[in-house]
Amino acid sequence: SQTIHQWPATLVQPVGSPLSLECTVEGTSNPNLYWYRQAAGRGLQLLFYSVGIGQISSEVPQNLSASRPQDRQFILSSKKLLLSDSGFYLCAWSGIPNTGELFFGEGSRLTVL
Amino acid sequence: QKEVEQDPGPLSVPEGAIVSLNCTYSNSAFQYFMWYRQYSRKGPELLMYTYSSGNKEDGRFTAQVDKSSKYISLFIRDSQPSDSATYLCAMSLLGGAGKLIFGQGTTLQVKP
Repeated sequence: SQTIHQWPATLVQPVGSPLSLECTVEGTSNPNLYWYRQAAGRGLQLLFYSVGIGQISSEVPQNLSASRPQDRQFILSSKKLLLSDSGFYLCAWSGIPNTGELFFGEGSRLTVL
Repeated sequence: QKEVEQDPGPLSVPEGAIVSLNCTYSNSAFQYFMWYRQYSRKGPELLMYTYSSGNKEDGRFTAQVDKSSKYISLFIRDSQPSDSATYLCAMSLLGGAGKLIFGQGTTLQVKP
């Protein structure tokens, strides 16, 4: 069966510090991968998605970036965090063909102080 | 106007009640409709999935899609305290590469 792992689960970082959140998927090959952010009291906002190694599409202009160095690894990064980057970051995968069903990880809660 | 509108609640019901959760949307091109359940501090889990219009039933859960009215619903029968969670509707386009548009989520509390 397929599983998805995210880490760290919780992170408290000062403004201006770097960020790296990691996500790995097991039990499937060539998945589509996604990073979503969920701010307090709001729905999920798509940040990045990837259909293959090195292929990243950005949905929202911001100071975050994403990379996919391996087929089942997706990384969310920032060089300098802003207060507004605080939120719950969720990695998700979908299979091929893509029917719109997403399977989410447990999330990484980021607090920027 | 948001693409997907969902009343955030909170909604509080007694155990055993029938719960109705709803979303409206503005983009008539949406073809896939989903309901996700999210427990506190956890990632969302897919609960119901529907393609185009119609009804789908799974145990105590029934999903309805009315594309003519741009309205989707989730019904929970015989609600249980374990159903207490936030319910997110989501939808996407045909060939939309998994780019889901989510509602804000409705927080449901089922009291024993």
